[in-house]
Amino acid sequence: SQQGEEDPQALSIQEGENATMNCSYKTSINNLQWYRQNSGRGLVHLILIRSNEREKHSGRLRVTLDTSKKSSSLLITASRAADTASYFCATDKGGAQKLVFGQGTRLTINP
Amino acid sequence: GAVVSQHPSWVICKSGTSVKIECRSLDFQATTMFWYRQFPKQSLMLMATSNEGSKATYEQGVEKDKFLINHASLTLSTLTVTSAHPEDSSFYICSARAMTGGLVEAFFGQGTRLTVV
Repeated sequence: SQQGEEDPQALSIQEGENATMNCSYKTSINNLQWYRQNSGRGLVHLILIRSNEREKHSGRLRVTLDTSKKSSSLLITASRAADTASYFCATDKGGAQKLVFGQGTRLTINP
Repeated sequence: GAVVSQHPSWVICKSGTSVKIECRSLDFQATTMFWYRQFPKQSLMLMATSNEGSKATYEQGVEKDKFLINHASLTLSTLTVTSAHPEDSSFYICSARAMTGGLVEAFFGQGTRLTVV
């Protein structure tokens, strides 16, 4: 069963604005990952944040992790039309265990 | 990073027939692979964990006799949808873990879009 919950489920903003997506989970984790999926396509790995990290940056992406609240956020700054996609968080207990995906946020960037 | 190749990328089949989807780890060995299913506008739901040389572990509610998994080698896992029905139409994605940069990461295939008519 999915343990991650993401909000909002859908987000529509203007190009150039920042987009923030949130993810909550229920159990302890080794790390948390964010993925992007364009419509009908496979997953693209965006960023991984370990349980002992609080914030991580990669280009226009900023991810935070609050293990006490069991939540994470993904911020995309200066959004572009090409950022339009669904974004999923996935929790990882490490080792050979499965990733558990959140429900996802459908992001639409309007030109 | 490591590469996971999935084939076919799309398939259309008639109701009642069986369809086989392959998942290969191209440059690493994977003792464990994962099969996910994704319905339109929904998230990825884990179906089963494929274990090399042993039986797959199915998630609750997934029919093991309908979704046959074979992990006969360290680089190949197959998912066979038997007696497919229109409700099996979905996007199927496999995943395998590999060590990169000292960290075990998950890598995903491109996905297979199955349409049962």
